Amino acid sequence: AQSVTQLDSHVSVSEGTPVLLRCNYSSSYSPSLFWYVQHPNKGLQLLLKYTSAATLVKGINGFEAEFKKSETSFHLTKPSAHMSDAAEYFCVVSENNFNKFYFGSGTKLNVKP
Amino acid sequence: DGGITQSPKYLFRKEGQNVTLSCEQNLNHDAMYWYRQDPGQGLRLIYYSQIVNDFQKGDIAEGYSVSREKKESFPLTVTSAQKNPTAFYLCASGGEYSNQPQHFGDGTRLSIL
Repeated sequence: AQSVTQLDSHVSVSEGTPVLLRCNYSSSYSPSLFWYVQHPNKGLQLLLKYTSAATLVKGINGFEAEFKKSETSFHLTKPSAHMSDAAEYFCVVSENNFNKFYFGSGTKLNVKP
Repeated sequence: DGGITQSPKYLFRKEGQNVTLSCEQNLNHDAMYWYRQDPGQGLRLIYYSQIVNDFQKGDIAEGYSVSREKKESFPLTVTSAQKNPTAFYLCASGGEYSNQPQHFGDGTRLSIL
């Protein structure tokens, strides 16, 4: 069965310092993996996706993630945090079937000035 | 611009009342979804539809109903049988295959009067 674990419910960083949001998954198949960002009272916006091509995936707003099959991880990183990055982030894995997406419980990122 | 429109943004329900949340997309997607979001729980799937005139229950369908009469529209009715309806409801489309991301609307926040 598929599942997603976001290891930290809250992460706090200072502006200009690196960001690391951790995600581990379990999958019986070759998964597709996604990171989304959600600002308060808004929908989810796609940051990046992994779909069995390059293991290092670059996304929007300077974010990137690395797929590590041996560690079943897909951690999200950014070299330098900006105040506008403060939001909630969701890691999502999809089955190798139609229409099934599994969401992590989310990580709230706080960026301090 | 192509996208997903949810309305209303805020909705209040009285005891014993059914309410309907609207979701319209102009992305030409076959698949559409309804999710419920509660704090700290990520997103939970209520219903999804792969094609017009067809839909399937998700993980928490009890107390909800949907219809899919048009490709563009997938309204959700929260019935009086749903005893704890206060939540943020998100509609999505796309993701017809596991390597395709979903696109989300900006949500409807439902509260009890």
